Amino acid sequence: GQQVMQIPQYQHVQEGEDFTTYCNSSTTLSNIQWYKQRPGGHPVFLIQLVKSGEVKKQKRLTFQFGEAKKNSSLHITATQTTDVGTYFCANQAGTALIFGKGTTLSVSS
Amino acid sequence: EPEVTQTPSHQVTQMGQEVILRCVPISNHLYFYWYRQILGQKVEFLVSFYNNEISEKSEIFDDQFSVERPDGSNFTLKIRSTKLEDSAMYFCASSGILETAGYEDEQFFGPGTRLTVL
Repeated sequence: GQQVMQIPQYQHVQEGEDFTTYCNSSTTLSNIQWYKQRPGGHPVFLIQLVKSGEVKKQKRLTFQFGEAKKNSSLHITATQTTDVGTYFCANQAGTALIFGKGTTLSVSS
Repeated sequence: EPEVTQTPSHQVTQMGQEVILRCVPISNHLYFYWYRQILGQKVEFLVSFYNNEISEKSEIFDDQFSVERPDGSNFTLKIRSTKLEDSAMYFCASSGILETAGYEDEQFFGPGTRLTVL
């Protein structure tokens, strides 16, 4: 399946600061899904992006899909301690979800 | 809200033993999946299952692995002869209420079974 590279691997921020994680592929992606995994928890679906250049917002979270459909980003504005966890992008390859390695976000108050 | 359930939450076994991990997908979902996550690493696809047969499987899903839907609610993953490297969190997921491309919908993950092979 198509591999997706995700950076950074870790990010620590002060509460109130912004956070961005990036997902990149060398090939065109059919779609990108974003999941959040809290420490000790399971992946929870956040959003799916399908269209070139698509931008979707969920409260403080902004998701973008690149024009060439080779990259995507998740931006969190004014992080809160409840945002801690690992954020994964995943590409649908057939029936399989191929996950990136994730970005682990820690937030100090 | 409907959810995927998994049992047991933690399974400890000796190398070479068989284990069966159980899952109850969301009742009206048509696609079922198993993923694994080695501690601190990414989530890896193992297998997808639809209409009582395997749709896709990864390189990880070798002859030691099998899946079954023994009745209308359960979905199981069997590892015939466990190895140390099988130690991981195993997640079951389900998706899709539509016959066509229901696998493209969001996947709902269960809480996982932590498998420890000694």
